[in-house]
Amino acid sequence: AQSVSQHNHHVILSEAASLELGCNYSYGGTVNLFWYVQYPGQHLQLLLKYFSGDPLVKGIKGFEAEFIKSKFSFNLRKPSVQWSDTAEYFCAVNNPYGNNRLAFGKGNQVVVIP
Amino acid sequence: DAMVIQNPRYQVTQFGKPVTLSCSQTLNHNVMYWYQQKSSQAPKLLFHYYDKDFNNEADTPDNFQSRRPNTSFCFLDIRSPGLGDAAMYLCATRVGGADDTDTQYFGPGTRLTVL
Repeated sequence: AQSVSQHNHHVILSEAASLELGCNYSYGGTVNLFWYVQYPGQHLQLLLKYFSGDPLVKGIKGFEAEFIKSKFSFNLRKPSVQWSDTAEYFCAVNNPYGNNRLAFGKGNQVVVIP
Repeated sequence: DAMVIQNPRYQVTQFGKPVTLSCSQTLNHNVMYWYQQKSSQAPKLLFHYYDKDFNNEADTPDNFQSRRPNTSFCFLDIRSPGLGDAAMYLCATRVGGADDTDTQYFGPGTRLTVL
């Protein structure tokens, strides 16, 4: 079964600081990779996704993620965070040729201090 | 406009009293999912429907059942809720085809409290 690891569950940083959230997965085959964001009181929304092609993926709100196949990683980055980036961030992995079900990481709770 | 709608947003039930959570979608997607998310944990898939085909996860308790009477609606039935079933329940949908259609779209969730 796939597993997804996200470290540093709680992250606190100041506005304009850079953010990087790590994501590692266990599945060795072809995967689709996702980052979802959940703002306070809101539903899970897709931030960005990787299916194939350029391993550096640009998402909404200035976020990007890099797929490194050799490291089984899909880390999320933003060069300069804003207070409005306070949210929980979930990494998810989907094997498109298998059961097509998403496996989520435990999430990173990010708090941006104004 | 909301695409995946869950009702109610908050549900309180008593220990052992059956409860039904509902999900509807305006996307006409083939696949619908139910997840359970407990505090500070990852969403955990309970089951999903691919059209009318029901797929249960191996570790989903028998206490949880689901119905999908048509494309738009899917229900989660908890026959005898226990205190451990208190959680956020998320519904999601997916087109179900290939070519950049593997994104799941989530509803706002129903927070279940068991007294």
